[in-house]
Amino acid sequence: AQSVTQPDIHITVSEGASLELRCNYSYGATPYLFWYVQSPGQGLQLLLKYFSGDTLVQGIKGFEAEFKRSQSSFNLRKPSVHWSDAAEYFCAVGCNSSASKIIFGSGTRLSIRP
Amino acid sequence: EPEVTQTPSHQVTQMGQEVILRCVPISNHLYFYWYRQILGQKVEFLVSFYNNEISEKSEIFDDQFSVERPDGSNFTLKIRSTKLEDSAMYFCASSEVQGSQPQHFGDGTRLSIL
Repeated sequence: AQSVTQPDIHITVSEGASLELRCNYSYGATPYLFWYVQSPGQGLQLLLKYFSGDTLVQGIKGFEAEFKRSQSSFNLRKPSVHWSDAAEYFCAVGCNSSASKIIFGSGTRLSIRP
Repeated sequence: EPEVTQTPSHQVTQMGQEVILRCVPISNHLYFYWYRQILGQKVEFLVSFYNNEISEKSEIFDDQFSVERPDGSNFTLKIRSTKLEDSAMYFCASSEVQGSQPQHFGDGTRLSIL
């Protein structure tokens, strides 16, 4: 069965510092991978997705993620965070079979230190 | 950019009452989903819907839950007799093509059961 692990519950970084949020997945075939962001009281906004091809994917708001099959990872990165990046970040995996659900990780809450 | 819209944003209901949560998916999307997020927990899949029938449902989606697409635009989730543990944020999502396209989420309905 598919699963997603986000080992960091809460991360605090200084504004302007680089960021990496970790995500590991478990899935038997090539997965579809996503990162969503949720600001307080808001819905889920898609940051980026990986389906196939180039393993480094670019997303919105200056985020990128790299798919590493050998490590079953899809870590999210940003070279320089802004105070507005404070939010909850969810890694998710979907599959290309008849099952259509997305499995979410438990999320990483990002706080920005001024 | 087209959006998934959900109403109401907040619903307060007495335990045992029926509640209907409403969603308007993106107009050219064919697949529809409901997820829920209990406060402080991960986002969980409830049900997917395509071609006027349920494609897949989770073990959470028991006989108290039902979904319907009553007309060409709305997609509803009904909880027949609400329980305290149904209190959660409920997200509707839609996608163009199953699996290979990302799901777009609404801002959610916060359901509070008293």
